[in-house]
Amino acid sequence: EAGVAQSPRYKIIEKRQSVAFWCNPISGHATLYWYQQILGQGPKLLIQFQNNGVVDDSQLPKDRFSAERLKGVDSTLKIQPAKLEDSAVYLCASSSNFRDKNNEQFFGPGTRLTVL
Amino acid sequence: GESVGLHLPTLSVQEGDNSIINCAYSNSASDYFIWYKQESGKGPQFIIDIRSNMDKRQGQRVTVLLNKTVKHLSLQIAATQPGDSAVYFCAENGYGQNFVFGPGTRLSVLP
Repeated sequence: EAGVAQSPRYKIIEKRQSVAFWCNPISGHATLYWYQQILGQGPKLLIQFQNNGVVDDSQLPKDRFSAERLKGVDSTLKIQPAKLEDSAVYLCASSSNFRDKNNEQFFGPGTRLTVL
Repeated sequence: GESVGLHLPTLSVQEGDNSIINCAYSNSASDYFIWYKQESGKGPQFIIDIRSNMDKRQGQRVTVLLNKTVKHLSLQIAATQPGDSAVYFCAENGYGQNFVFGPGTRLSVLP
């Protein structure tokens, strides 16, 4: 079974530029998550989708971050404009259904963003 | 909001010894806990989980202990191997909540 795919793996941009990350979850997984992981910290949830709908985006900085999952499969996360403090690894994860009792999340390798 | 924390940011153990990684949680409503392993350049990988109706759960070389009285979670790794070197995160979840991750503990296995 193929895992969660993310691209690009690395991205370096200057502040105020825009950047987009792509995620393809495990086939058949209804729930998709985007996490931000700052160096030395645990992942922090940014947004959670169930199929093509948003379940939780309470921690997403909506003035600069946006995400979509239009067809309920792959997803993109965008930052516009980027700030220095956005430097982090952006992790995508998927699970079969977050309402399931044993809702194991499978993580992709992440995209490491450096904002200069 | 309430969050999950760890007592030790780094842990060094000799190869072959047992490792114990600790985690404190503050949300008494959490009823599901997971330990993740994250190697450099990779996403977190599920190790073992436990529900709040259990005190102990064992896997292959790993044991998770849950003490609800003091809101404490631990991960025990038996006969630690070089491949166990990684950062370990605990995460908590409850009804209506999303997973909250702790800051992580780096485990270094010494030859």
